[in-house]
Amino acid sequence: EADIYQTPRYLVIGTGKKITLECSQTMGHDKMYWYQQDPGMELHLIHYSYGVNSTEKGDLSSESTVSRIRTEHFPLTLESARPSHTSQYLCASRQGGGSHTEAFFGQGTRLTVV
Amino acid sequence: AQTVTQSQPEMSVQEAETVTLSCTYDTSESDYYLFWYKQPPSRQMILVIRQEAYKQQNATENRFSVNFQKAAKSFSLKISDSQLGDAAMYFCAVQGAQKLVFGQGTRLTINP
Repeated sequence: EADIYQTPRYLVIGTGKKITLECSQTMGHDKMYWYQQDPGMELHLIHYSYGVNSTEKGDLSSESTVSRIRTEHFPLTLESARPSHTSQYLCASRQGGGSHTEAFFGQGTRLTVV
Repeated sequence: AQTVTQSQPEMSVQEAETVTLSCTYDTSESDYYLFWYKQPPSRQMILVIRQEAYKQQNATENRFSVNFQKAAKSFSLKISDSQLGDAAMYFCAVQGAQKLVFGQGTRLTINP
């Protein structure tokens, strides 16, 4: 089983609240990713990082922000949650050094904004 | 830029039969890999098979094999002897030096 963890698994929160979704991996992977996935639908890349202090926006515009202060930790923050942010958020990581390495995924955080 | 297209939102197959899932892609990177990942219901995404773009030989992993046509930018997945445990969402992905981009996914149903 992959050593990548997301917390919380489920979150119901009111509109306007600030939230942080946690993602941690113990594999020492350089590259980490956040995807947004609506039920039964495609994964949209919203943020990625290729190392400490390096983050990039993905292909899908997102109001969220990320940080990468430590290799193992890649949290995603929404400053003011809205119902349109309701979705599943998946975190992944992989070893750097080439395009061949397998990505490992967390179990996801299902966010509902009411 | 990297894009991946899966044109089959849903597929179904009889248990023990063979099914092929389609995928086309585009990328500006010269060094890239192609992947198929599986997402079972309420479970984590896991790797099914990977293919190096420079290799002409198609990858095979037990009952799973790919048909990689680089000129056509096509990367299909064949599942032989389908089993009930193969039921899942299947995602095709292209991975370059930094980004990992997925297609829309194909929901595979196995009929007993």
